Amino acid sequence: DQQVKQNSPSLSVQEGRISILNCDYTNSMFDYFLWYKKYPAEGPTFLISISSIKDKNEDGRFTVFLNKSAKHLSLHIVPSQPGDSAVYFCAASVQGGSEKLVFGKGTKLTVNP
Amino acid sequence: GAGVSQSPSNKVTEKGKDVELRCDPISGHTALYWYRQSLGQGLEFLIYFQGNSAPDKSGLPSDRFSAERTGGSVSTLTIQRTQQEDSAVYLCASSLVGWPTEQYFGPGTRLTVT
Repeated sequence: DQQVKQNSPSLSVQEGRISILNCDYTNSMFDYFLWYKKYPAEGPTFLISISSIKDKNEDGRFTVFLNKSAKHLSLHIVPSQPGDSAVYFCAASVQGGSEKLVFGKGTKLTVNP
Repeated sequence: GAGVSQSPSNKVTEKGKDVELRCDPISGHTALYWYRQSLGQGLEFLIYFQGNSAPDKSGLPSDRFSAERTGGSVSTLTIQRTQQEDSAVYLCASSLVGWPTEQYFGPGTRLTVT
């Protein structure tokens, strides 16, 4: 049973436009959400996070939106750049215990020049 | 400062052999995690260490998998009698203690069992 789902395996956008990556979750206990970016042959790199007490967090070109009632979060990248081309993973965790991350399967973003 | 390091970067082994994978966390990070990523899948939690507490082993897929963390720093993941389905990228992450906190990942070890 997949608790974190990224239903789009891939996304292609034009440089300068907005990239929107989506993520759905089923476990209502999740209270912290993160996005990681991964280049080939490298480990995931932390990008941005959001606590369940917020509905938006912004960091430069990256904004994460959280809709708790819909159990949905999204990552917006504006403007998209070719260097943003990577696999993006959505992850969630529950406070307490091991605080392990539960990951989605990832979305491969390609930003075309 | 130095990030999480893992060795080896690649490991090819024959089915039935034992392998050891090593992780050096970021200095000062007391929490350490192991994950694996199989082809086309997301990262799957394996085990968590935090200080002197008993590790959370709930993600280990079988008793062929074990891990230890010596001196609260370096960790070794051991897979005994490897099987082809063990082929994956094994990733180590470390973090500070506290809520919430981000986990910082190493580059991973790509394990191929032939």
